[in-house]
Amino acid sequence: EAGVTQSPTHLIKTRGQQATLRCSPISGHTSVYWYQQALGLGLQFLLWYDEGEERNRGNFPPRFSGRQFPNYSSELNVNALELEDSALYLCASSLKGLSNEQFFGPGTRLTVL
Amino acid sequence: QQQVKQSPQSLIVQKGGISIINCAYENTAFDYFPWYQQFPGKGPALLIAIRPDVSEKKEGRFTISFNKSAKQFSLHIMDSQPGDSATYFCAAYVNYKLTFGKGTLLTVNP
Repeated sequence: EAGVTQSPTHLIKTRGQQATLRCSPISGHTSVYWYQQALGLGLQFLLWYDEGEERNRGNFPPRFSGRQFPNYSSELNVNALELEDSALYLCASSLKGLSNEQFFGPGTRLTVL
Repeated sequence: QQQVKQSPQSLIVQKGGISIINCAYENTAFDYFPWYQQFPGKGPALLIAIRPDVSEKKEGRFTISFNKSAKQFSLHIMDSQPGDSATYFCAAYVNYKLTFGKGTLLTVNP
């Protein structure tokens, strides 16, 4: 069974640009979660999507947004990039009703220059 | 506001030794406590988890000890191996959200 996949592996942008990160959940999983893993800060919860709707968001500004498609894949958009947005962005998925068991993808390394 | 505090930040253990990582939480509403293992360049992988109505859970060489009254839980890795060298994260779950500790970098020397 394929795990959570994310693309691209690496992304380099300059300040002020927009970044789009993509995630495909494990087959059968309907919930997708996004986390930011910045150096020294651990994993910070960003967004949760389930059945195409945003269900919860962490303490991040509105320029972090996303969506979930009918096939349950998801996209994270970061607008007006700032240097401190440089981080590993992790996507996780879970079965409906089992949000406690989240399975992570390998992440997208975003570097903002 | 850090709701899950993890210690130590780094840990060096000899092969065959016991690795112990500790976490403390504040929110008594947390109802599920997983541990994740992360190798460089990889995403975190779910290792073992416990619910607060259980005081201990063991899976192979990995054991979680849970103290509900002290609001603390810990991961014990018995007979630590060089292949266990990784970053370990504790987490706590409530209301569809995982809150993570800051991680412990474990190095097991051969």
